[in-house]
Amino acid sequence: NAGVTQTPKFRVLKTGQSMTLLCAQDMNHEYMYWYRQDPGMGLRLIHYSVGEGTTAKGEVPDGYNVSRLKKQNFLLGLESAAPSQTSVYFCATQLTTRYTFGSGTRLTVV
Amino acid sequence: AQTVTQSQPEMSVQEAETVTLSCTYDTSESDYYLFWYKQPPSRQMILVIRQEAYKQQNATENRFSVNFQKAAKSFSLKISDSQLGDAAMYFCAYRRGQGAQKLVFGQGTRLTINP
Repeated sequence: NAGVTQTPKFRVLKTGQSMTLLCAQDMNHEYMYWYRQDPGMGLRLIHYSVGEGTTAKGEVPDGYNVSRLKKQNFLLGLESAAPSQTSVYFCATQLTTRYTFGSGTRLTVV
Repeated sequence: AQTVTQSQPEMSVQEAETVTLSCTYDTSESDYYLFWYKQPPSRQMILVIRQEAYKQQNATENRFSVNFQKAAKSFSLKISDSQLGDAAMYFCAYRRGQGAQKLVFGQGTRLTINP
């Protein structure tokens, strides 16, 4: 089925470790977003991309990096994980006013 | 910066009854869109309803309808004939006009349906 696939779905990291979350879409959408969801705070934008080779900062970018080398993939990296980055991470694509979300990645940093 | 506020962290309703979830937003833009998303325990984000700011008519989707009060910057969701499957987190979201526009989310309301 067409849509947005996030990998992995779950991950536990130790403080200081690094990892990359992958968001892959097969809908040829230009715009892609990374959000984090924390209890009582809704979803907050980390970084976004308006096309291949472009990235921009969102509301809470500190501690994260992103890359969009290929149109279909949007990678979110944590260089040195901290407990404050324990969260559920969502990727989304946008076409006009329609947003398609992945199923999320639950990340725990211990 | 635009903000979205959901003042009800939790709501509950009896099955088959009607419930209204509140949402207010702050913006100086005239061209924007408002959304309600449902997030069941599966974590999937499901679009419930969308409202264009330029439309005066309130959007409806089957048992779901909104009360869009543009001057008051209010966008409430009414769920009629509540069903057990409606139990979920509900998020109100806002985006500005055209192009690549992020969604700005409220804090969410957890809705419980009592059988």
